[in-house]
Amino acid sequence: NAGVTQTPKFRVLKTGQSMTLLCAQDMNHEYMYWYRQDPGMGLRLIHYSVGEGTTAKGEVPDGYNVSRLKKQNFLLGLESAAPSQTSVYFCASTKWGESYEQYFGPGTRLTVT
Amino acid sequence: AQSVSQHNHHVILSEAASLELGCNYSYGGTVNLFWYVQYPGQHLQLLLKYFSGDPLVKGIKGFEAEFIKSKFSFNLRKPSVQWSDTAEYFCAVSRYNTDKLIFGTGTRLQVFP
Repeated sequence: NAGVTQTPKFRVLKTGQSMTLLCAQDMNHEYMYWYRQDPGMGLRLIHYSVGEGTTAKGEVPDGYNVSRLKKQNFLLGLESAAPSQTSVYFCASTKWGESYEQYFGPGTRLTVT
Repeated sequence: AQSVSQHNHHVILSEAASLELGCNYSYGGTVNLFWYVQYPGQHLQLLLKYFSGDPLVKGIKGFEAEFIKSKFSFNLRKPSVQWSDTAEYFCAVSRYNTDKLIFGTGTRLQVFP
């Protein structure tokens, strides 16, 4: 199993540009999450999904949109990137009703200039 | 709102020294508790977790953590650290039977030979 994978690994955007980050998991997990990691702030939840076709806001959802069209994929979109969105983005997944342990992807380092 | 506090932001130790990293949470109900580790350039990995039962839990690589309900704490310990333990450590809490983790801000551990 590949576990949780993220595409791309690195990206540099100019202010106002848009992009989509892709997260894929092959563990048949129902729940998927997008976090951002910033120095001194830990991980903050952006959006999450409890199943195909459903999404919900997390702690810091503004400026981001998500979609879960397939169970194994969770997309994070930035419609108009801002320098404040420079961060490392992690995707995670977990299986409902078991240990609630979240499995993380390798991260995407995004820089907005 | 529920919160997780890690008071040690940066810890520097020599090899063979003992380690204790503090974690306190604010939620008063039943919780699930986790410690994750992030080695340099890598994604988060689960170190150990507590759900119920024996409040002293053992994880990988010689780490252990003790849940003290009266103190709302879940401190991480290791009797003798190694250079390879250099990493960032995150405490995380979820309310029982819920789908979201709340992360602390992390503790950066540096171990010198």
